[in-house]
Amino acid sequence: DAGVIQSPRHEVTEMGQEVTLRCKPISGHDYLFWYRQTMMRGLELLIYFNNNVPIDDSGMPEDRFSAKMPNASFSNLKIQPSEPRDSAVYFCASSRPAGKAFFGQGTRLTVV
Amino acid sequence: GESVGLHLPTLSVQEGDNSIINCAYSNSASDYFIWYKQESGKGPQFIIDIRSNMDKRQGQRVTVLLNKTVKHLSLQIAATQPGDSAVYFCAENIGLTGGGNKLTFGTGTQLKVEL
Repeated sequence: DAGVIQSPRHEVTEMGQEVTLRCKPISGHDYLFWYRQTMMRGLELLIYFNNNVPIDDSGMPEDRFSAKMPNASFSNLKIQPSEPRDSAVYFCASSRPAGKAFFGQGTRLTVV
Repeated sequence: GESVGLHLPTLSVQEGDNSIINCAYSNSASDYFIWYKQESGKGPQFIIDIRSNMDKRQGQRVTVLLNKTVKHLSLQIAATQPGDSAVYFCAENIGLTGGGNKLTFGTGTQLKVEL
């Protein structure tokens, strides 16, 4: 299995632009998680899905952030409009029920 | 102004020595715990896990100890190698409806292996 696949690996964008981060979970995993990692706050859970349905988005910082999972093999996280304080590494992870979460390599986002 | 980041505790060990990384978790209802290793520029990588009905679990060169009384978790690495240098995170979980795991991560410990 190729593991959790995220794209792009790096994204540099200007403030105010829309940013889309993509994730392909491990096949057969029912749970998908989006995390954000910064020096200030460490690893924070933003949102998670179960069987493509968003269950808990209480970690999403603002309305500028949205996430969708249109099918079992794809999810995206959008930031519109982006701001410099959104600069971070964004990780996607997936797991089976009651199983360990496997992480992707992350997308390093820089908003200038 | 200057931003202040999280202060990561650092553990420095000599190659070949044993390492012990500690973690205090916050929720007495947590039922599942995982240790992750994160190397620079990579995502967290699973090392070992333990459920709350156990107090010890061993893997290859790694052992996790769980003390529920004081809400403490430790990771022991035997014969530490240069490749073990990384940031180590403990994560705690409260079981979700339907069986999933929602992990909350600690701030991490930087392990440095000196030759």
